[in-house]
Amino acid sequence: AQSVTQPDIHITVSEGASLELRCNYSYGATPYLFWYVQSPGQGLQLLLKYFSGDTLVQGIKGFEAEFKRSQSSFNLRKPSVHWSDAAEYFCAVGAPYNNNDMRFGAGTRLTVKP
Amino acid sequence: DAGITQSPRYKITETGRQVTLMCHQTWSHSYMFWYRQDLGHGLRLIYYSAAADITDKGEVPDGYVVSRSKTENFPLTLESATRSQTSVYFCASSEVRGNEQFFGPGTRLTVL
Repeated sequence: AQSVTQPDIHITVSEGASLELRCNYSYGATPYLFWYVQSPGQGLQLLLKYFSGDTLVQGIKGFEAEFKRSQSSFNLRKPSVHWSDAAEYFCAVGAPYNNNDMRFGAGTRLTVKP
Repeated sequence: DAGITQSPRYKITETGRQVTLMCHQTWSHSYMFWYRQDLGHGLRLIYYSAAADITDKGEVPDGYVVSRSKTENFPLTLESATRSQTSVYFCASSEVRGNEQFFGPGTRLTVL
């Protein structure tokens, strides 16, 4: 089964600074990759997804992620963080044609300093 | 309103009691899921359903029961609640296999 690791439990950045959240996955083939965001007391909202094709994918709220097969990574980036970006971010890996087998990382909590 | 809803949003119960968490979606999505979220573990799949009357176990199914008699509803029952089942439970649905899942707001369950 696939697995996903988010090495950073908590990250603090200043408002306006750039952001990169790391995600590494383990899967025998090209997986489906997702980034979700969870605001306090809320459910998860999809930021972006990668299935195939262009390895740089754009998402909502100004986020982007790059799939690097050689590094088994799918890092999330944003050039300038806003205070409203403070939330928990989850990377998820799915197995194509196997909808029940999506694995989530433990999450990275983002704090934004004014 | 369209979307996916969960009830109750908060629940406190005692060890040994039966608890049912409700999930309702208005999109007629075929796939529905139950996850639990615990600190340090992210989300772990409890059960999923591919269609009405079709359910299967996920990663952590012990102590839980599900049913799906109608496409739009997917209740999760804790037959005899234990303290280890204190968690936040999320229901999700998906239209296409392997694609994006849409999440409900969650139910925070505390077992005393």
